[in-house]
Amino acid sequence: GAGVSQSPSNKVTEKGKDVELRCDPISGHTALYWYRQSLGQGLEFLIYFQGNSAPDKSGLPSDRFSAERTGGSVSTLTIQRTQQEDSAVYLCASSLARPGRSTIYFGEGSWLTVV
Amino acid sequence: DQQVKQNSPSLSVQEGRISILNCDYTNSMFDYFLWYKKYPAEGPTFLISISSIKDKNEDGRFTVFLNKSAKHLSLHIVPSQPGDSAVYFCAAPQGGSEKLVFGKGTKLTVNP
Repeated sequence: GAGVSQSPSNKVTEKGKDVELRCDPISGHTALYWYRQSLGQGLEFLIYFQGNSAPDKSGLPSDRFSAERTGGSVSTLTIQRTQQEDSAVYLCASSLARPGRSTIYFGEGSWLTVV
Repeated sequence: DQQVKQNSPSLSVQEGRISILNCDYTNSMFDYFLWYKKYPAEGPTFLISISSIKDKNEDGRFTVFLNKSAKHLSLHIVPSQPGDSAVYFCAAPQGGSEKLVFGKGTKLTVNP
């Protein structure tokens, strides 16, 4: 497809388990972002990848969260030892260049529920 | 620290009337602002943007106004249509970094 693709679309996991969320950005987009939206909250920045530069990890809420981007394309967000407060929709986005100067396109999100 | 604030969680208007969604910001270094629209179970989609060198940008039924002295921007939708019912997010690229800072969103309901 032409858009940002995320999988799984829905994930229910038990507290303490690890989860992996995958993002396929739009082909050719050098910038990739992860955001999350908890219930009743805005979009919270998690991590940003731009080309071969070191990622901006300043938004990761704890060391249980990590992300990688292989080959400058697909990205995986990993949450270890999930907690109930991790329940949220995790949104991936990509763009050609800097945000605001190039439109950011979001995927439909991965809905994570930790029980 | 909420740098981008949308103080109205919801707004309800009648079809055909004007919808005005407001956004305030605290960081005077912001020089570009964007509005995104989000339908349920979908990702946000870009709607309209404005640079700080302008005070108005118009695109069809959508107009964004920027008041730098008040650190305030607003999105006007006229005439409003039921299909405009969605959550609207205000956002700005954080100076010195590449991340967008979003407000909490305003849920707009346009009643037929």
